[in-house]
Amino acid sequence: GQQVMQIPQYQHVQEGEDFTTYCNSSTTLSNIQWYKQRPGGHPVFLIQLVKSGEVKKQKRLTFQFGEAKKNSSLHITATQTTDVGTYFCAGYGGSQGNLIFGKGTKLSVKP
Amino acid sequence: NAGVMQNPRHLVRRRGQEARLRCSPMKGHSHVYWYRQLPEEGLKFMVYLQKENIIDESGMPKERFSAEFPKEGPSILRIQQVVRGDSAAYFCASSRTGERYGYTFGSGTRLTVV
Repeated sequence: GQQVMQIPQYQHVQEGEDFTTYCNSSTTLSNIQWYKQRPGGHPVFLIQLVKSGEVKKQKRLTFQFGEAKKNSSLHITATQTTDVGTYFCAGYGGSQGNLIFGKGTKLSVKP
Repeated sequence: NAGVMQNPRHLVRRRGQEARLRCSPMKGHSHVYWYRQLPEEGLKFMVYLQKENIIDESGMPKERFSAEFPKEGPSILRIQQVVRGDSAAYFCASSRTGERYGYTFGSGTRLTVV
C-alpha cells in the first residue's frame, strides 16, 4: 500500500534558525496536506497543495509540492517558540480516499 | 460552530473490559475517520465511515475492534476485552462530503489500560 515518509524525525533548533521537513510518497499523490500537532494536542490542518510544483506561503511557513507530485516540503523561516510541535504530511491512500499520514517531524525550539 | 466533539477525553479501563469512544462530527460533515496514535508515533488510520456505512476498515484490527456511525447520534469506536497494547490516543476526524478538504480533528480520547 501507499507509504508516506518524513524526515527528519526530530529537529532541535535555536530560536531564529530556519527549519525544513521533507515528505516523500511511494506513489504519485493527487494532493498533499500538512498538519501541526502541538504537544498534548490534536492535529490541526495547515494547508493543502494540489498542483505540480505548487508553492504556498503562510507568513513564515513555505510549502512546496514537487514537480512529480511525489514529494513535498515545509520550511519555517526564523523559528519561534510558538512553532514547537510535530508537523505531519498526509496523502490520500486506499481506494476510498482516506488520508495516510507520515510519522511526522517533531520540532523543538530553544529560546 | 462546534468542532469535532470527542468524549471522553480520558478513559481508564482494566484489562478485559470494554472501551467505547464517541465522536460527533462537525456540523455539515458526513465523513468520519478514526486514527490511533501511540506516544511519539504518527497517526495510524483505522476506519472511515459515512452515515450507516463503513467505507474502509482496512486499518482496524479484525478482532475486538468495531466502529459504527448510525443515522442518529455519534460515531462509536468500540474495543472489546481491552489489553495493555490498546493504550493510545484515539483521534476522530471529519470532513465535508465528496471533496478532498482538510480534516478537522477532535481533541482525542486518551485510553489507558491498567
